[in-house]
Amino acid sequence: DADVTQTPRNRITKTGKRIMLECSQTKGHDRMYWYRQDPGLGLRLIYYSFDVKDINKGEISDGYSVSRQAQAKFSLSLESAIPNQTALYFCATSARTGTHYGYTFGSGTRLTVV
Amino acid sequence: AQKITQTQPGMFVQEKEAVTLDCTYDTSDQSYGLFWYKQPSSGEMIFLIYQGSYDEQNATEGRYSLNFQKARKSANLVISASQLGDSAMYFCAMREGYSSASKIIFGSGTRLSIRP
Repeated sequence: DADVTQTPRNRITKTGKRIMLECSQTKGHDRMYWYRQDPGLGLRLIYYSFDVKDINKGEISDGYSVSRQAQAKFSLSLESAIPNQTALYFCATSARTGTHYGYTFGSGTRLTVV
Repeated sequence: AQKITQTQPGMFVQEKEAVTLDCTYDTSDQSYGLFWYKQPSSGEMIFLIYQGSYDEQNATEGRYSLNFQKARKSANLVISASQLGDSAMYFCAMREGYSSASKIIFGSGTRLSIRP
């Protein structure tokens, strides 16, 4: 099994619908992150969490919310999806200790809002 | 504010040639880390190489090396003897500070295409 699992892998939803993207990890990492990737813009940080009781906004948090249900689970919700939220979404984790605190990424969720 | 700039949206290179992907960064911090990630067409993000701001030698990982020029704030990725499987999107990224509480920011990426 993958260290960081994102579900679903692909999703098409309608404008105005609420949708949740889920992320779970077996790395035992404290830190978890949600990014979105758009062509020509790279990856931009939506929300991040350094432990279960710590949730922080990233650079593009408007229209999104998150929940850290447990150390291993970090969910991203779109309360009322809109077409410009169509993107590839990545969950990532990092350790509290280590040589460079690099990320372990999930495989991504491709979301299309029609 | 920290920033990563990749000025090459796309590149074409002949197989077996070496290729350099450009990356410049901007930070006011003395302690930081630089990363390169590869994203093949399947979409996953693959870590390639890391360079710390205090590392005196350029990082190397197999065919990948990072040409770190601190004074110029440059962190170019060099791929030697390119292969068809190197065709992918490449992202330069930076963590400001050495704390695990620091986040990573990404450049806009360079799409590398290897010609047979």
